Amino acid sequence: DAGVTQSPTHLIKTRGQQVTLRCSPKSGHDTVSWYQQALGQGPQFIFQYYEEEERQRGNFPDRFSGHQFPNYSSELNVNALLLGDSALYLCASTEQGRANYGYTFGSGTRLTVV
Amino acid sequence: DAKTTQPNSMESNEEEPVHLPCNHSTISGTDYIHWYRQLPSQGPEYVIHGLTSNVNNRMASLAIAEDRKSSTLILHRATLRDAAVYYCILKETSGSRLTFGEGTQLTVNP
Repeated sequence: DAGVTQSPTHLIKTRGQQVTLRCSPKSGHDTVSWYQQALGQGPQFIFQYYEEEERQRGNFPDRFSGHQFPNYSSELNVNALLLGDSALYLCASTEQGRANYGYTFGSGTRLTVV
Repeated sequence: DAKTTQPNSMESNEEEPVHLPCNHSTISGTDYIHWYRQLPSQGPEYVIHGLTSNVNNRMASLAIAEDRKSSTLILHRATLRDAAVYYCILKETSGSRLTFGEGTQLTVNP
């Protein structure tokens, strides 16, 4: 049973560019969350999607946006990239109504902005 | 979000038990206590969770204080593969997010 799959695994972008990261949730999961993890820090919540809508959002600017598709997969888009956006981006999935019982995380996409 | 306090680092020897403490004095009655761990170059991995009672699973045990203001993650026999950053998180029952702190870096010595 595949867990959470993220692509690409690594990415290098230039300041000002736009990037799209992709996530396929674990089989049976319908809720997807995105996190940003800077080097040496814990992950920070960006937002969560369920039923193709953003349900909750963390303290991130509008440059960060997302989408969820009917098959529950999700994309994270970041516009006008800044050097400070360099981080590990993590996707986590769960089944709605069972979030209190734990999330499954992917291995992340390492984004480097130069 | 309610906050947790964990030691920055701990060391253990292989095959010995490890007790990882977490203080959460501002916990509310409906907050779940979650533990995740993160191995190098991987995403966080769910370990265990509880609400009021002690919990056991194949990975670990969770001991929750009677007043719920602290908890302890217990690894019964540490292995080298248990070396990771361990995060203690309070999750609101109705909320979506996990609020990660700095976690405890566990080193396991052979």
